[in-house]
Amino acid sequence: QSALTQPASVSGSPGQSITISCTGTSSDVGGYNYVSWYQQHPGKAPKLMIYDVSNRPSGVSNRFSGSKSGNTASLTISGLQAEDEADYYCSSYTSSSSYVFGTGTKVTVL
Amino acid sequence: EVQLVQSGAEVKKPGESLRISCKGSGYSFTSYWISWVRQMPGKGLEWMGRIDPSDSYTNYSPSFQGHVTISADKSISTAYLQWSSLKASDTAMYYCARQGGEKGFDPWGQGTLVTVSS
Repeated sequence: QSALTQPASVSGSPGQSITISCTGTSSDVGGYNYVSWYQQHPGKAPKLMIYDVSNRPSGVSNRFSGSKSGNTASLTISGLQAEDEADYYCSSYTSSSSYVFGTGTKVTVL
Repeated sequence: EVQLVQSGAEVKKPGESLRISCKGSGYSFTSYWISWVRQMPGKGLEWMGRIDPSDSYTNYSPSFQGHVTISADKSISTAYLQWSSLKASDTAMYYCARQGGEKGFDPWGQGTLVTVSS
């Protein structure tokens, strides 16, 4: 199972919006609405930000939103803040009853 | 508060065996799957496999099948990840995470750093 493809890095200025893409296949992202997104600060455990493509867990800022079109899912961070600087990973359920993570994206706040 | 607390860092030699643990609290341990995720130094997340603590049913990533064993003891709300013969390439941070059905992994344990070196 190959990792989902994400851009290596995305940057933006405070207050701007950025979007991170996550491209898979019809056997994972395109086949199920079980895409989730995780934020990981250096030296910390990942934190769930979005599940089931577009749902936010309780306590996660509404500046984070998710969507999907075909085999590509996206995470949008609006009103970018310094604390959003971190690595972000997508994940999808697969047709093999397993899970696959994305390659990861480093978000830099300029 | 829902928590997963993992066992401490380990330093092992190649060929040695190891079992690390993940103890759940604040919820019904048998109602959620536990997954294990590897993160090699400076690299991304890799899903290794998961267990249903209610009946110990497991499924593994093809990349890890046969290399590790996932188990659980529901009487003490603890899941395990074990190796019978470690390799230097097993050096990584290992996380456990709770799963509700096919929804996201939440929460995550704090991670267990495994270092394998001669």
